[in-house]
Amino acid sequence: EAQLLESGGGLVQPGGSLRLSCDASGFRVSSYAMNWVRQAPGKGLEWVSSIGGSSNSIYYAESVKGRFTLSRDNSKNTVYLEMTSLRADDTAVYYCAKGIAAGYYYGMDVWGQGTTVTVSS
Amino acid sequence: QSALTQPASVSGSPGQSITISCTGSNSDVGTYKVVSWYQHHPGKAPKLIIFEDNKRPSGISDRFSGSKSGNTASLTISGLQAEDEADYYCCSYATFYTLVFGGGTKLTVL
Repeated sequence: EAQLLESGGGLVQPGGSLRLSCDASGFRVSSYAMNWVRQAPGKGLEWVSSIGGSSNSIYYAESVKGRFTLSRDNSKNTVYLEMTSLRADDTAVYYCAKGIAAGYYYGMDVWGQGTTVTVSS
Repeated sequence: QSALTQPASVSGSPGQSITISCTGSNSDVGTYKVVSWYQHHPGKAPKLIIFEDNKRPSGISDRFSGSKSGNTASLTISGLQAEDEADYYCCSYATFYTLVFGGGTKLTVL
């Protein structure tokens, strides 16, 4: 059974940095698109970033471009989201999600439970 | 990229059918056949219920169906059940390699 487990969330000051991890089991992250999606308190889901399966093409939402970096370690079967220059509006639950295929736009069929990031002084 | 437009809330009685709309533009919903729908119970992980406009993942009840006409995608839930009460989100590929979600619809089963 495919599963995802996020970690690395916490409280960070504005301007600070944080690295989220997403450990996968039951499938190879190298074969599928992997995505990060967030949900701010009281708000809806927001796409953050994606990496295509079997490729190194990475895509970002405008709101995080230049500040967040998605990476993938196939040997550890883990995906990361490096977040820098954090702002209050980055406060959210961050979900890692597996793509249903190598293309990241087809849909996300396995989701983690999420990790909470709070940006506050 | 602006969020896709969904009604904030819909409601129905057990056994009834409801439809949730998701309106975008020629830059997303209207051009690409990759609208997906997610069911989200607060505090839990979102769940994929429709992908590629109208396909159901294995294990998803056939009470859930997806369709699209022009720039508007729709999710229909038939035979409403209490456990269907949740938030529902649509998502589409949009130009410039982005994904865009709808604002979400809260379904209340009366």
